[in-house]
Amino acid sequence: SAVISQKPSRDICQRGTSLTIQCQVDSQVTMMFWYRQQPGQSLTLIATANQGSEATYESGFVIDKFPISRPNLTFSTLTVSNMSPEDSSIYLCSVEFGREAFFGQGTRLTVV
Amino acid sequence: QKEVEQNSGPLSVPEGAIASLNCTYSDRGSQSFFWYRQYSGKSPELIMFIYSNGDKEDGRFTAQLNKASQYVSLLIRDSQPSDSATYLCAVDPLAFSGGYNKLIFGAGTRLAVHP
Repeated sequence: SAVISQKPSRDICQRGTSLTIQCQVDSQVTMMFWYRQQPGQSLTLIATANQGSEATYESGFVIDKFPISRPNLTFSTLTVSNMSPEDSSIYLCSVEFGREAFFGQGTRLTVV
Repeated sequence: QKEVEQNSGPLSVPEGAIASLNCTYSDRGSQSFFWYRQYSGKSPELIMFIYSNGDKEDGRFTAQLNKASQYVSLLIRDSQPSDSATYLCAVDPLAFSGGYNKLIFGAGTRLAVHP
């Protein structure tokens, strides 16, 4: 199993600003995943972060809006850039061990 | 567009009854299927996964998979108020061998178990 620490747990941000979310895992992992969960909706994969290479973004998500860093095998950040109210959501990082995905506690972001 | 469909609910069942949660998926090549439980304000946690047609039982939970019908379900026996949560169906469209779990989630079904 894995213990994933994600912070901040919540934030209220002004539109036009950026927020960086951090994700720390207690074990080394090859892949880390970033999801978004909009109010009342399910989880949507934003991107997959592999240590030492550029993140792979899913359709509808771009690096300029959601830059990701993956400096080592236990840590990743996701930045939500130039925020608008439509970015208000829960952002979750995830890792995989065996066939099980583990999730961080999530970051509840409100953009005003 | 690969899709996973769930009835959003709420599904309301009395304590002690069987709760039946259903999920359909569009990608016929999908190989791995997962059920996650998400309490309000919390992150998802895995309940069960299933890969083969048929039933898989774990305690009060039974997952059922029918690949021909592209249908997966979760049965919860002897439902308890503590089972009240949103249940997310997730599908991995890639074969596990050689790939990692790139999950596509359904919108979730909200289950309410009342005493």
